[in-house]
Amino acid sequence: AQSVSQHNHHVILSEAASLELGCNYSYGGTVNLFWYVQYPGQHLQLLLKYFSGDPLVKGIKGFEAEFIKSKFSFNLRKPSVQWSDTAEYFCAVNAWGNNDMRFGAGTRLTVKP
Amino acid sequence: GAGVSQSPSNKVTEKGKDVELRCDPISGHTALYWYRQSLGQGLEFLIYFQGNSAPDKSGLPSDRFSAERTGGSVSTLTIQRTQQEDSAVYLCASSYYAGTGASYEQYFGPGTRLTVT
Repeated sequence: AQSVSQHNHHVILSEAASLELGCNYSYGGTVNLFWYVQYPGQHLQLLLKYFSGDPLVKGIKGFEAEFIKSKFSFNLRKPSVQWSDTAEYFCAVNAWGNNDMRFGAGTRLTVKP
Repeated sequence: GAGVSQSPSNKVTEKGKDVELRCDPISGHTALYWYRQSLGQGLEFLIYFQGNSAPDKSGLPSDRFSAERTGGSVSTLTIQRTQQEDSAVYLCASSYYAGTGASYEQYFGPGTRLTVT
């Protein structure tokens, strides 16, 4: 079964700093990749997703992620974070043919104003 | 439109009691998922329903856990003889069904926080 690793448990940045959150998965086959975000007191919501095609995907609020198949990675990036980006971010993988979605442990992002 | 709803939002129960958690998916979504989120952990897949097909129960941690989905809509997750390690947030999600090998976005409910004392 596939598994997902998020390397950073808690990241603290100042506003306008650049962000990169790591995500690696272990599965050799075709995968669908997702980043979800959970703002304080809110539901999990989709930030962006990769199914096929251009490995650089753009999501909401200026976030993007790059799928590097050779590295089994799907890192999340944002050039300049805002205080409102403070949230928990989850990487998720769904292997083709499987029903379940595997989530990473999450990375808590705190952006200082 | 209405999102995924879950009830209760909080449940405190004594060890050994049974609990039922309810999920009402978005209308028209045929796929329904249950996850468990423990403190400091990611989301753990529990069970998946798709239409009238047999559910994928591969993530259920023990036979004390069961779930059903009536009429292809509302789902109930039941935990029998609860243990303290069952304390977690139980999340439900629903999505359209895109067929094997594909996946649509999952929409999550607010979760039920279960505390077993």
